[in-house]
Amino acid sequence: QSVLTQPPSASGTPGQRVAISCSGSSSNIGSYPVNWYQQLPGTAPKLLIYSNDQRPSGVPDRFSGSKSGTSASLAISGLQPEDEAEYYCAGWDDSLNGVFGGGTKLTVL
Amino acid sequence: QITLKESGPTLVKPTQTLTLTCTFSGFSLTTSGVGVAWIRQPPGKALECLALIYWDDDIRYNPSLKSRLTITKDTSENQVVLTMRNMDPVDTGTYYCASGKYWELQSWGQGTLVTVSS
Repeated sequence: QSVLTQPPSASGTPGQRVAISCSGSSSNIGSYPVNWYQQLPGTAPKLLIYSNDQRPSGVPDRFSGSKSGTSASLAISGLQPEDEAEYYCAGWDDSLNGVFGGGTKLTVL
Repeated sequence: QITLKESGPTLVKPTQTLTLTCTFSGFSLTTSGVGVAWIRQPPGKALECLALIYWDDDIRYNPSLKSRLTITKDTSENQVVLTMRNMDPVDTGTYYCASGKYWELQSWGQGTLVTVSS
């Protein structure tokens, strides 16, 4: 059972906008920045969003992140088939150190 | 260009100790803010942070696994070593090392699959 709670699945059609939520508590998301990782099938995770809403160089601006209180969200606009992947939120926790969400499998229909 | 590569046994027996080495290039573990983490992923399951070591020798362990873990660094060899004692079949999974500033893991190794079985 993960410290950060994500929906197990999400889906959308090409061109659509989808959002993935990540819920935590005052000891993690409420106190520290949130990062998001994309894991394509059979590959290592890749940093997608850091510090709540910052994109590393090379990440398309279709991907955006936000945080409010003890929840965070990853939005993907203009959904593309290659966005089909597992997405993980990650944060720091006062007691638990580095923590991840349970992952959300995004299906592009 | 930053690269990381995990190495170690692919098969360990229950109760044995696992030793994994992360060999990296393209950054220094003496640079302020930089850290290396070990992350694992059981088959079909979520990511789990095991341990982190920072440039200033600050070390953080997953509290639920702390008694079984040791993480060390060798800055001259550009390596970080993780040992996990008393391995169990539930520890089977892919083990990744990753680096970045604090908890922003910008660069990841390809991962190494470790199977625990007698």
